[in-house]
Amino acid sequence: NAGVTQTPKFQVLKTGQSMTLQCAQDMNHEYMSWYRQDPGMGLRLIHYSVGAGITDQGEVPNGYNVSRSTTEDFPLRLLSAAPSQTSVYFCASSYKRGSSGNTIYFGEGSWLTVV
Amino acid sequence: TQLLEQSPQFLSIQEGENLTVYCNSSSVFSSLQWYRQEPGEGPVLLVTVVTGGEVKKLKRLTFQFGDARKDSSLHITAAQPGDTGLYLCAVDNAGNMLTFGGGTRLMVKP
Repeated sequence: NAGVTQTPKFQVLKTGQSMTLQCAQDMNHEYMSWYRQDPGMGLRLIHYSVGAGITDQGEVPNGYNVSRSTTEDFPLRLLSAAPSQTSVYFCASSYKRGSSGNTIYFGEGSWLTVV
Repeated sequence: TQLLEQSPQFLSIQEGENLTVYCNSSSVFSSLQWYRQEPGEGPVLLVTVVTGGEVKKLKRLTFQFGDARKDSSLHITAAQPGDTGLYLCAVDNAGNMLTFGGGTRLMVKP
């Protein structure tokens, strides 16, 4: 079972470049989200989606765009990369909202370096 | 100030020792989850606690939710090198997506 698949695994960008991190899940989950993980900060929510065509901002949305045209895919776009966006990015999906009685599945992460 | 404060941030112990890590907040939560993350991988759910005072066991791991549902602890008995990793607590926030604590990085030396 593929679960949550993220690509690329590693990427180096120059300041000002744009790119898209891809995320796909094959579990027919309605809820998908993007987090970034920095040392000592745990994971912080960037954007999330509660279904196809619906997205919303999380804690740290600036500099990122998302769209959800299908249930399976939830790409994260960096519009103009900055060194502060150097981080590890995780995509997650789940069948329902929240933590009670719910299992949230994470991808393996995308390591992004902006120079 | 973070919503969830985890302590300690780092813990290095010898195989066979016991340890406890904490997840604290001033807010009340309907439920709380614990995750373990190994290097190069995403977090994996260990347990969800829902009821104040609830205790759940997962082999050598014991999870407790505080009576007031503001805090939680994770106790590991007889730690093994395979327990090495980052332990994260998380709660519902912002549209019922997850908010994470800063994590406790555990290293268990053989």
